[in-house]
Amino acid sequence: GPKVLQIPSHQIIDMGQMVTLNCDPVSNHLYFYWYKQILGQQMEFLVNFYNGKVMEKSKLFKDQFSVERPDGSYFTLKIQPTALEDSAVYFCASRWDCQNTLYFGAGTRLSVL
Amino acid sequence: GDSVTQTEGLVTLTEGLPVMLNCTYQTIYSNAFLFWYVHYLNESPWLLLRSSTDNKRTEHQGFHATLHKSSSSFHLQKSSAQLSDSALYYCALSVTSGGNYKPTFGKGTSLVVHP
Repeated sequence: GPKVLQIPSHQIIDMGQMVTLNCDPVSNHLYFYWYKQILGQQMEFLVNFYNGKVMEKSKLFKDQFSVERPDGSYFTLKIQPTALEDSAVYFCASRWDCQNTLYFGAGTRLSVL
Repeated sequence: GDSVTQTEGLVTLTEGLPVMLNCTYQTIYSNAFLFWYVHYLNESPWLLLRSSTDNKRTEHQGFHATLHKSSSSFHLQKSSAQLSDSALYYCALSVTSGGNYKPTFGKGTSLVVHP
């Protein structure tokens, strides 16, 4: 079936550094999402994105976070600067218009030291 | 806001026994879609079942669920558990509010099936 790829699968960085998480969504999908999952907790909505714009962001989407999809390439989540509490698995998802099924990537595990 | 409750964090079963994972939800909207996603370790979560029709059973890969709007429930069931069913199961709710669509997930239930 359709696949969403997330690169890298695991990223380890020092607190205060910048990190970019990359997502290659399903090719004809129009809507993109990031979810954050802290170990042992549920996946929580961070942000969704359509037509080059953020549609909605949650309170977890701090000022240090940003998303973009330049020229139809990767959908990225950038955190600058990172904090210890940003350690989590970040899941990217995409969906096609008029369809409500999300297709997920396998997640990027971010470890902030 | 919208919320999804999965009461069991862990369900451990012997192969062959029936499976029931609980899911209840809260939303002020009547146009709710309910989903079950399954997440195997080191893989991507993927859609197992979905429904928006009240009191209609939906089935896929041996699992079934019925959306009951009167009780705001969408429990996942299977008549006989298999070892390969061991995974993390998420119940999710979506409503379309102002043209936006952002599913809300429960905490997940880890199902462990042993011989």
